[in-house]
Amino acid sequence: NAGVTQTPKFRILKIGQSMTLQCTQDMNHNYMYWYRQDPGMGLKLIYYSVGAGITDKGEVPNGYNVSRSTTEDFPLRLELAAPSQTSVYFCASTRGGGATYQETQYFGPGTRLLVL
Amino acid sequence: DQQVKQNSPSLSVQEGRISILNCDYTNSMFDYFLWYKKYPAEGPTFLISISSIKDKNEDGRFTVFLNKSAKHLSLHIVPSQPGDSAVYFCAASKLVTSYGKLTFGQGTILTVHP
Repeated sequence: NAGVTQTPKFRILKIGQSMTLQCTQDMNHNYMYWYRQDPGMGLKLIYYSVGAGITDKGEVPNGYNVSRSTTEDFPLRLELAAPSQTSVYFCASTRGGGATYQETQYFGPGTRLLVL
Repeated sequence: DQQVKQNSPSLSVQEGRISILNCDYTNSMFDYFLWYKKYPAEGPTFLISISSIKDKNEDGRFTVFLNKSAKHLSLHIVPSQPGDSAVYFCAASKLVTSYGKLTFGQGTILTVHP
């Protein structure tokens, strides 16, 4: 049981390039999330998904796209990379939203992205 | 608009003493609060949580206190250990309507000295 895995660990992109950050979970979780963390800041939600085929925007979705074709995978696509997208990206998953308690979100180790 | 704030960027404590980390929130719709711990080059890991219907929750050395009228919560670690040195994030959610989405504070770097 690997939990949440993310690839790559680190990547340098040139301005205008595109890339896909991969995220996979093996816990059969329904909900998945993408966050970014800028230096000295908390995590901000980019996109989330409540199941295969269902995605929605979070707080900072501009410049990103997602898809969820399977329960396990939730890739994040950067189109036309910009220096403002330099950040650490975390993927997370949880079983589902509880009505009386917050299901624990399990985080991947992160992808560090540098856009030059 | 920072809905969850941790106003202390860092905290330094001696081993064996108490660590108190603070968090304030502005959105009265939040009804569940969590603390996450993060080591360098790793993802955050869940530490402890509290529902808005409670004012205290305890788990071993960790206790979270919630003051709803002040929109304030705090994490107490007693006794502090060097292995507790990490970044601590406060997070909040709206249980029923938010699909588990979390709003995070900026984090507090805790350093516990031997």
